[in-house]
Amino acid sequence: SAVISQKPSRDICQRGTSLTIQCQVDSQVTMMFWYRQQPGQSLTLIATANQGSEATYESGFVIDKFPISRPNLTFSTLTVSNMSPEDSSIYLCSIGPGLNEQYFGPGTRLTVT
Amino acid sequence: AQTVTQSQPEMSVQEAETVTLSCTYDTSESDYYLFWYKQPPSRQMILVIRQEAYKQQNATENRFSVNFQKAAKSFSLKISDSQLGDAAMYFCAYSPEGGAQKLVFGQGTRLTINP
Repeated sequence: SAVISQKPSRDICQRGTSLTIQCQVDSQVTMMFWYRQQPGQSLTLIATANQGSEATYESGFVIDKFPISRPNLTFSTLTVSNMSPEDSSIYLCSIGPGLNEQYFGPGTRLTVT
Repeated sequence: AQTVTQSQPEMSVQEAETVTLSCTYDTSESDYYLFWYKQPPSRQMILVIRQEAYKQQNATENRFSVNFQKAAKSFSLKISDSQLGDAAMYFCAYSPEGGAQKLVFGQGTRLTINP
């Protein structure tokens, strides 16, 4: 199965700044996803990122706040912009190799002070 | 919109015994997929088991099996011979058939294994 890595694994940021999270996969995949997991909560899909097209955002998430890049079939970035303490969460990328299954990266734990 | 409900925030079981985690979902679709994911304290999400809605046979993966009741929209996970390494958050998830492949997650059940 594919190996998925994320950078950074954790970070502490000041409010008003931005953080870019990287997701790298060791094989080519068409579908990648970004999720947010707020403390003690379940996962919520932020957006779907397919290579060669604009990311598709879920209700409640906007491109200005969470811009996403997908330059090739093995890499994607999620930026959390103009951060506030409410953005403190774990951010996870996942891949969808087929059959509707998804496999997840280790996550990025973000704390905003 | 599809929703997934896990009514048990926490469960505990004695090591070597069997435990069942509950999940219900709401959808108007006839074709879809259901999953159980495990998130150990290290937080890496792991796919435990999947079920295609068109299959009547319940999925099994070693000690893990599901009871899929399509009419009741119920999808429970049974863990047999529980082991200490099974301690984790368990999430039930739904994905519609089709190109979007989105996952909708339940709230999770924290499973504790008592030695």
